[in-house]
Amino acid sequence: DPKIIQKPKYLVAVTGSEKILICEQYLGHNAMYWYRQSAKKPLEFMFSYSYQKLMDNQTASSRFQPQSSKKNHLDLQITALKPDDSATYFCASSQPGQGLYEQYFGPGTRLTVL
Amino acid sequence: GDSVTQTEGLVTLTEGLPVKLNCTYQTAYSDVAFFWYVQHLNEAPKLLLRSSTDNKRTEHQGFHATLHKSSSSFHLQKSSVQLSDSALYFCALRQGTGSKLSFGKGAKLTVSP
Repeated sequence: DPKIIQKPKYLVAVTGSEKILICEQYLGHNAMYWYRQSAKKPLEFMFSYSYQKLMDNQTASSRFQPQSSKKNHLDLQITALKPDDSATYFCASSQPGQGLYEQYFGPGTRLTVL
Repeated sequence: GDSVTQTEGLVTLTEGLPVKLNCTYQTAYSDVAFFWYVQHLNEAPKLLLRSSTDNKRTEHQGFHATLHKSSSSFHLQKSSVQLSDSALYFCALRQGTGSKLSFGKGAKLTVSP
């Protein structure tokens, strides 16, 4: 069974619209992350949450808003979508204090903005 | 800020040959950890190797890497590549107990028969 679930797998949106990317992890981890991967920037850190609190935000735009409704959920809301937002968005998780804080990635959501 | 440099963009090898993918880094922190991730086509990055101990070799699935803080490097090596090793390989750095991973640009390894 997959330990990190991301929904949907593929997403097509029109410019200016709003979408929510879903992430759930069943690894029992208390830290979750969002990364973005595109042709221009291979793997780019966006946000990190620990125990449902925002720890780090490397996203310049307020159009990207993480939402943690449950301990094992970290969704990503994107508003006013632009074609440049087209990328694969990966959710990841780790356990603070465990090992080297290894991060495990979900399968990703491939977003295309037309 | 932190940075991770991977010099090989594309690497093409014949099955059975050795491979070395370079990874060097810059960081202002002494408490750091390093990772290699492998990403097959249309899949998620998967953790391949990890280390935070200077001069200690770490191995997994035939790959190995040694962190050398003196040269700020964590190169990935394998003595004999297989077709299934064709993938993107990313080197990543985590500083201290902070959670952000800084990734290199990646190296695309293609192994041919």
